[in-house]
Amino acid sequence: DQQVKQNSPSLSVQEGRISILNCDYTNSMFDYFLWYKKYPAEGPTFLISISSIKDKNEDGRFTVFLNKSAKHLSLHIVPSQPGDSAVYFCAASVYSGGGADGLTFGKGTHLIIQP
Amino acid sequence: KAGVTQTPRYLIKTRGQQVTLSCSPISGHRSVSWYQQTPGQGLQFLFEYFSETQRNKGNFPGRFSGRQFSNSRSEMNVSTLELGDSALYLCASSFSGRYGNEQFFGPGTRLTVL
Repeated sequence: DQQVKQNSPSLSVQEGRISILNCDYTNSMFDYFLWYKKYPAEGPTFLISISSIKDKNEDGRFTVFLNKSAKHLSLHIVPSQPGDSAVYFCAASVYSGGGADGLTFGKGTHLIIQP
Repeated sequence: KAGVTQTPRYLIKTRGQQVTLSCSPISGHRSVSWYQQTPGQGLQFLFEYFSETQRNKGNFPGRFSGRQFSNSRSEMNVSTLELGDSALYLCASSFSGRYGNEQFFGPGTRLTVL
């Protein structure tokens, strides 16, 4: 049972336009969400996070939106740049009190920025 | 500040053998987590160590084990290797592993089981 789903395996966007990556989750206990970016032959790199008490978090060109009622989050990249081409993973966690549970990852979306 | 390092980067083993992977966290980080990445299952959480104690565990068989040393370095062991264990094994460190502490990933160890 996949608790974090990224339904688009790939996404192609023109340079300079907005990239929107989507993520759905089923576990209502998740209360912290993260986006990671991964290049081939490297480990994932943290991008941005949001806790369930917020519905939006911005960091430069990256904005994450959280819709708790729909159990949906999205990552917006504006404007998209060639270096943004990578695989993006959505991840979620539950605060267990004694330490963070392991992150539950989606299967990733391969973002391709076209010149 | 040096990042998370993992050794070896690549490993080839045969079925039935055992393997040990090593992870050195970022200096000052006390939490180390391990993940398995495969094309079919994506990134899956194996376990987390903090102060030499396993604090959380994912849904993997007992063939997968780990430990953490007093300097926070961690090792992961897989015994009786199966073909399905072929994967990228990623280690991640964070300051405390607690809520809101982002995890920083190493480059991974690519394990191939023949």
